[in-house]
Amino acid sequence: NAGVTQTPKFQVLKTGQSMTLQCAQDMNHNSMYWYRQDPGMGLRLIYYSASEGTTDKGEVPNGYNVSRLNKREFSLRLESAAPSQTSVYFCASSKGGSYNEQFFGPGTRLTVL
Amino acid sequence: GQQVMQIPQYQHVQEGEDFTTYCNSSTTLSNIQWYKQRPGGHPVFLIQLVKSGEVKKQKRLTFQFGEAKKNSSLHITATQTTDVGTYFCADHTGANSKLTFGKGITLSVRP
Repeated sequence: NAGVTQTPKFQVLKTGQSMTLQCAQDMNHNSMYWYRQDPGMGLRLIYYSASEGTTDKGEVPNGYNVSRLNKREFSLRLESAAPSQTSVYFCASSKGGSYNEQFFGPGTRLTVL
Repeated sequence: GQQVMQIPQYQHVQEGEDFTTYCNSSTTLSNIQWYKQRPGGHPVFLIQLVKSGEVKKQKRLTFQFGEAKKNSSLHITATQTTDVGTYFCADHTGANSKLTFGKGITLSVRP
C-alpha cells in the first residue's frame, strides 16, 4: 500500500497562474483533507471531504477549490495563484467519524512568485 | 471555533534531559490526538486520548489527558536526537471528523 500520495512534490508558479494539486489514497478511507503549513502557523485546514460526494470549507478556503473525484482522489485547485499561497500543502485521509487518526501525504512545496 | 494552544513554539534540550510540553484549551475537549513531524517530513499520528485522566505510554513517551479534559501533556524521558521534530496536538471535538491543530512545538536536542 502506498498510503497517501501527492503530486507534484515541488512547484513554482507565477502570480495569476492556475494549477491543481493531486491527492490519492489507497486505504479505502471515507474522509480526505487539504491543509497548508506555514512557519509558525501550524497546520490549517483548507477544505475537507467527510465522505465521497461532499466537500466543506475549512479554516482558510479563500482562493482554493476542491473536487472529490471519487473515493480515492481529492484535488485542490488554485485558480489564480497569489504570493500569499506560497506554502507547503498536505493532503490527509482518515476512516472518518470520531476517533480516527489521519494519515498524511508527503506534501507539495509551492512557491508563487 | 475550538482552539488548542501550544506554548512555547520552540524548545531546546540537552540529550538525555527530560522534556514536557502541554496542550491547553479553554473548553472541554472530546478527544485529543498527538502527531510528530520530522524536519522536512509530514505529520505522523502518535496517539489518541479519549478518557478523562487517561495516560498512555509509548516507550519513552508518556501522554496524559487532563482530568477536566481541557489539557494534555507529552513527556519524553531521556531525550535522544531521534526525538527532534515538531509535536502537534489536535482537537477532534468538531463534527465531520475534522481536526483543529495547535501550532506545534519544535524540539531540538543537543548531542
